[in-house]
Amino acid sequence: GENVEQHPSTLSVQEGDSAVIKCTYSDSASNYFPWYKQELGKRPQLIIDIRSNVGEKKDQRIAVTLNKTAKHFSLHITETQPEDSAVYFCAAGLAAGNKLTFGGGTRVLVKP
Amino acid sequence: NAGVTQTPKFRVLKTGQSMTLLCAQDMNHEYMYWYRQDPGMGLRLIHYSVGEGTTAKGEVPDGYNVSRLKKQNFLLGLESAAPSQTSVYFCASSFSPGIFGGADTQYFGPGTRLTVL
Repeated sequence: GENVEQHPSTLSVQEGDSAVIKCTYSDSASNYFPWYKQELGKRPQLIIDIRSNVGEKKDQRIAVTLNKTAKHFSLHITETQPEDSAVYFCAAGLAAGNKLTFGGGTRVLVKP
Repeated sequence: NAGVTQTPKFRVLKTGQSMTLLCAQDMNHEYMYWYRQDPGMGLRLIHYSVGEGTTAKGEVPDGYNVSRLKKQNFLLGLESAAPSQTSVYFCASSFSPGIFGGADTQYFGPGTRLTVL
């Protein structure tokens, strides 16, 4: 089955700096790559996603890149703010069953 | 439009007891999922359903059963709870992947925190 690895597991940045989280996947049939943000005690919420026919997508301070050949994708957060502090999960999705396989998560701490 | 809701929010069980977690969605989604989330780990798929009356096993199905009698509801059952089932359980739902030609976004409920003593 699909395997998704996510790095780093924790990330501490100064407010205003950039944060980068990287994920790799194993199944070349995966064609959908969402990123979820989970605040303490809350549900995972989709913040951005990218499909396999696109190499890059941006939404304000958040961007994702996808390299299908290397089977890796990344989340970039620019100009980080304290409210960006949370756990971020990447996932890889297969059309069959619309199943998502999640990475282990990255705890991001933005220090004021 | 409530989205995805889960009941109960919290529950404490003794080993061997049974319970059912209820997930409901009002977005007319075909697909529904049950995940568990343990500390320091990502979300792991327990069971899922691709439509009313269907269920399928996910990554960690042992010790759980599910039913999808109505399109809007997906039930997760624990017949004989064990301490290893202490976790936070999330339900999610999505449209079928065919609409956009690939896998589609899953929307999560608020979670149920279950403790088995």
